[in-house]
Amino acid sequence: DGGITQSPKYLFRKEGQNVTLSCEQNLNHDAMYWYRQDPGQGLRLIYYSQIVNDFQKGDIAEGYSVSREKKESFPLTVTSAQKNPTAFYLCASSVGTVGEAFFGQGTRLTVV
Amino acid sequence: EDQVTQSPEALRLQEGESSSLNCSYTVSGLRGLFWYRQDPGKGPEFLFTLYSAGEEKEKERLKATITKKESFLHITAPKPEDSATYLCAVQVGWRADGLTFGKGTHLIIQP
Repeated sequence: DGGITQSPKYLFRKEGQNVTLSCEQNLNHDAMYWYRQDPGQGLRLIYYSQIVNDFQKGDIAEGYSVSREKKESFPLTVTSAQKNPTAFYLCASSVGTVGEAFFGQGTRLTVV
Repeated sequence: EDQVTQSPEALRLQEGESSSLNCSYTVSGLRGLFWYRQDPGKGPEFLFTLYSAGEEKEKERLKATITKKESFLHITAPKPEDSATYLCAVQVGWRADGLTFGKGTHLIIQP
């Protein structure tokens, strides 16, 4: 079945450590996105990529980094520079209309 | 500043009790309005796209409508499995960063 796979589902990180969230899709979509979801807030865009080897910052890119070396993969690294990294992270992909996106099941990151 | 406001924040209905969720928006140059359903601990699931005032889309017990200032998600004779958070998003540009999400409406359908 086609879809987006995020791993791990839960992740715990100590302050000062970098951590990488995985996102893989087999939908053959060109565009991929990372969103952050916090309680009581709408989804906010961290980074997006419309083609391999190219990506752009979203509204809240500070403290995050991404790569897009393969069409299927768009990993997100949460660096120690991110001041408040505890959140629910969602990866998505789309073909055509950006608002008609397929989302993964999310990774819940907790900084301890 | 582009804004998307969803109301109510939470809604509790009895099974079979129809109601509507609201998404009001103040944006310049709406390209599209999107509704999603999100179950607890899961990623959002795309439901509908609306492009212009007067447009309507239906899927099972859900019907989405739109005017120049707001969109409604009508739920007819809901069932407990319709319980979820419903998200509204608007696109104001052609790039991916032109998508603005509302905070969502948490809907609970009691048997």
